[in-house]
Amino acid sequence: AQTVTQSQPEMSVQEAETVTLSCTYDTSESDYYLFWYKQPPSRQMILVIRQEAYKQQNATENRFSVNFQKAAKSFSLKISDSQLGDAAMYFCASRLYYGGSQGNLIFGKGTKLSVKP
Amino acid sequence: GAVVSQHPSWVICKSGTSVKIECRSLDFQATTMFWYRQFPKQSLMLMATSNEGSKATYEQGVEKDKFLINHASLTLSTLTVTSAHPEDSSFYICSARGRSGGEQFFGPGTRLTVL
Repeated sequence: AQTVTQSQPEMSVQEAETVTLSCTYDTSESDYYLFWYKQPPSRQMILVIRQEAYKQQNATENRFSVNFQKAAKSFSLKISDSQLGDAAMYFCASRLYYGGSQGNLIFGKGTKLSVKP
Repeated sequence: GAVVSQHPSWVICKSGTSVKIECRSLDFQATTMFWYRQFPKQSLMLMATSNEGSKATYEQGVEKDKFLINHASLTLSTLTVTSAHPEDSSFYICSARGRSGGEQFFGPGTRLTVL
């Protein structure tokens, strides 16, 4: 079975500071993708960053970067220079890739991030 | 990125009535569409997956006769909540993925309130 665990229900960060959100996953498959999604108060799901499991290099998108530890099955998200607009629910997710087919997204329970001015 | 729309964004209905929610991919062909349900302060729960030209595949515990899904075309999927009851009140989110696979795009969601 495929599982995604986010152990931090809530996190808080001071504006302009850096925060790291944790995520661990479990899968027996070798090909998969990992994602971080942001859900602001509007509830629109927004893709923040994506990592292919076969890539050793950690993905980065501007102020967002991941620390992908494949052996430890860990996929944390680092937000640098936090902004008020970063306040949202953050969901970690995984998706298998097998035989040319894509599996379903499996979401963690989410981490609510607050940004203090 | 690609755009997925949902209509309506908010609906209130009386218990026992049926409600239809539309999900459209505006600028790409969605070979696979997903319907999720989200309760307050919780994660997204996958209800069903529909592929072009096939019947929807429902997740365990989701009543297929209550939540009717129709993937009418490559750009439109509908979710009909039949004989809605207050416990069906929730936030419903659709998502779509194109032929090339890869990224899955999400609609803005529909808030359903059943009185």
